[in-house]
Amino acid sequence: DTGVSQDPRHKITKRGQNVTFRCDPISEHNRLYWYRQTLGQGPEFLTYFQNEAQLEKSRLLSDRFSAERPKGSFSTLEIQRTEQGDSAMYLCASSLREGGYNEQFFGPGTRLTVL
Amino acid sequence: AQSVTQPDIHITVSEGASLELRCNYSYGATPYLFWYVQSPGQGLQLLLKYFSGDTLVQGIKGFEAEFKRSQSSFNLRKPSVHWSDAAEYFCAVGVSGSARQLTFGSGTQLTVLP
Repeated sequence: DTGVSQDPRHKITKRGQNVTFRCDPISEHNRLYWYRQTLGQGPEFLTYFQNEAQLEKSRLLSDRFSAERPKGSFSTLEIQRTEQGDSAMYLCASSLREGGYNEQFFGPGTRLTVL
Repeated sequence: AQSVTQPDIHITVSEGASLELRCNYSYGATPYLFWYVQSPGQGLQLLLKYFSGDTLVQGIKGFEAEFKRSQSSFNLRKPSVHWSDAAEYFCAVGVSGSARQLTFGSGTQLTVLP
């Protein structure tokens, strides 16, 4: 078990381009979360999957954002037509649903810079 | 909606001194409370959590936190800080519901002086 991994770790793109990030959760974890963290702030919830189903989305997740988790394993977060305001750290977390409240394990994040 | 306030943006302590980081939350029911630490280039690491029971919880790296319902607080403490504790610390609240996503405070940056 190597923990939650994210790829790439850094992405620089020009405004208007599309970007895609990948998250590989801990293998037995069925819950997967995406958060966004801007400079000087704590992470903010974007969306959540249980297995392959996307069950909740934050109002922060505009129409330009889409997330998938095919087969309930890895997940991708795509941002279309990037804007400078999308520059942030995108964090992925996973947890195991077995009743009660489970610890979320975070990946190292993908830092996006939109020029 | 739930919220978390960390009143101290930046704290500086000397190595060996005691530490207390403040956290206040707003939530209508009994919350699930967490402290995470984030070092540069690293993901968030869970230090400790409170779900119920004993209001003084012990975590990793010698940290502890006390849940005080009357003050809506969950302050993090350490009796003797080490230089390796320099990092950013986040308090978070989890709520019941299908997603159980976390709501984080804005963080406290800890600097440790030699």
